[in-house]
Amino acid sequence: QKEVEQDPGPLSVPEGAIVSLNCTYSNSAFQYFMWYRQYSRKGPELLMYTYSSGNKEDGRFTAQVDKSSKYISLFIRDSQPSDSATYLCAMSEGFQKLVFGTGTRLLVSP
Amino acid sequence: GAVVSQHPSRVICKSGTSVKIECRSLDFQATTMFWYRQFPKQSLMLMATSNEGSKATYEQGVEKDKFLINHASLTLSTLTVTSAHPEDSSFYICSVPSPNRGLGTEAFFGQGTRLTVV
Repeated sequence: QKEVEQDPGPLSVPEGAIVSLNCTYSNSAFQYFMWYRQYSRKGPELLMYTYSSGNKEDGRFTAQVDKSSKYISLFIRDSQPSDSATYLCAMSEGFQKLVFGTGTRLLVSP
Repeated sequence: GAVVSQHPSRVICKSGTSVKIECRSLDFQATTMFWYRQFPKQSLMLMATSNEGSKATYEQGVEKDKFLINHASLTLSTLTVTSAHPEDSSFYICSVPSPNRGLGTEAFFGQGTRLTVV
């Protein structure tokens, strides 16, 4: 079993839809949870960062962490074609060493 | 602006040659940098941790003699793929952890280097 599981997609939605991206994990020691967006042939860029359980909102993006279920989510409201990218979840027990999911490819059609 | 600069963005080399990839931290000093490899439709896999002034720490299964890492200064780490073979073709990405420890393991990534070995 992989430490972090993420559906690779692709996930296709129409513009304006609410998108839900998810990851599950097996290591209960993970405390730091991140979502990265990666455009084709580019390095990942950090979207959201969350420590421990709870919700965090930033504009159209909301990150949720449920440590009891070992489940994290990223919601994108009012999705735009420019949101089309691969979204990677990443998590860590402590400082620096990140474990990534495989990434979910999102396609938002106009 | 970019926090981490990685160069080159794309390189094609002949089998058996060596390729050097540079990773520069532009906004802050970094005693630690990370090198990842990403194959198509797969996750980023940590290859090694680059430590300024000391030897790199390699992940299990990564050949340290093949992937040479040098962290000569607080802003520069290099990855050299020696005697490259077609199976080394991949997307190599470096990352620099945020100096703001209060944020935990936030990291900034370079633009990545697409290596193709022919």
